[in-house]
Amino acid sequence: GDSVTQMEGPVTLSEEAFLTINCTYTATGYPSLFWYVQYPGEGLQLLLKATKADDKGSNKGFEATYRKETTSFHLEKGSVQVSDSAVYFCALSENDYKLSFGAGTTVTVRA
Amino acid sequence: ETGVTQSPTHLIKTRGQQVTLRCSSQSGHNTVSWYQQALGQGPQFIFQYYREEENGRGNFPPRFSGLQFPNYSSELNVNALELDDSALYLCASSLVGGLTTDTQYFGPGTRLTVL
Repeated sequence: GDSVTQMEGPVTLSEEAFLTINCTYTATGYPSLFWYVQYPGEGLQLLLKATKADDKGSNKGFEATYRKETTSFHLEKGSVQVSDSAVYFCALSENDYKLSFGAGTTVTVRA
Repeated sequence: ETGVTQSPTHLIKTRGQQVTLRCSSQSGHNTVSWYQQALGQGPQFIFQYYREEENGRGNFPPRFSGLQFPNYSSELNVNALELDDSALYLCASSLVGGLTTDTQYFGPGTRLTVL
């Protein structure tokens, strides 16, 4: 079946540091890939997505590229802010209605 | 603010009891999905409803059931509660449900504790 493995946290960074959260997936077909974010006290929000190989999703300064050859979808941001502190979830969908999530990575950005 | 609300916020039940969780979707959203998120884990898909019919189901037993109503509200029912059912239950709504072309909006969740 399909599954997502993402970097374990917690991750603690200083403001303006570079952030990378690794995500790899296992799927039988060609899934769509997603990053969701959960800010403290809020519900899950879609951060970005990519629906086919070599697509790059981007939003709020975050980027992730769908790499079929390495089955990866790593999340990156060049300069984090305190407001980026959140839990980040990598997810995939093979059938366009069901999301399979990773375990989540907690990111804390210090001023 | 996603426009998706859930009630109650917290709930405590004992093993063997039954529980009903409620979700109110954005107006016009014909699709609702339910997820279970255990502590420290990612959400797991329970099922999806589209226009009041179950559209897909994850690896959850039949004691997890749902209803969707024409007024964009929905329910998750869990019978014969077990300790492992303790989790945050999330609902998510979307216009038609296709994840590649549509966006799911998640509610804040209901925290269920089974003692």
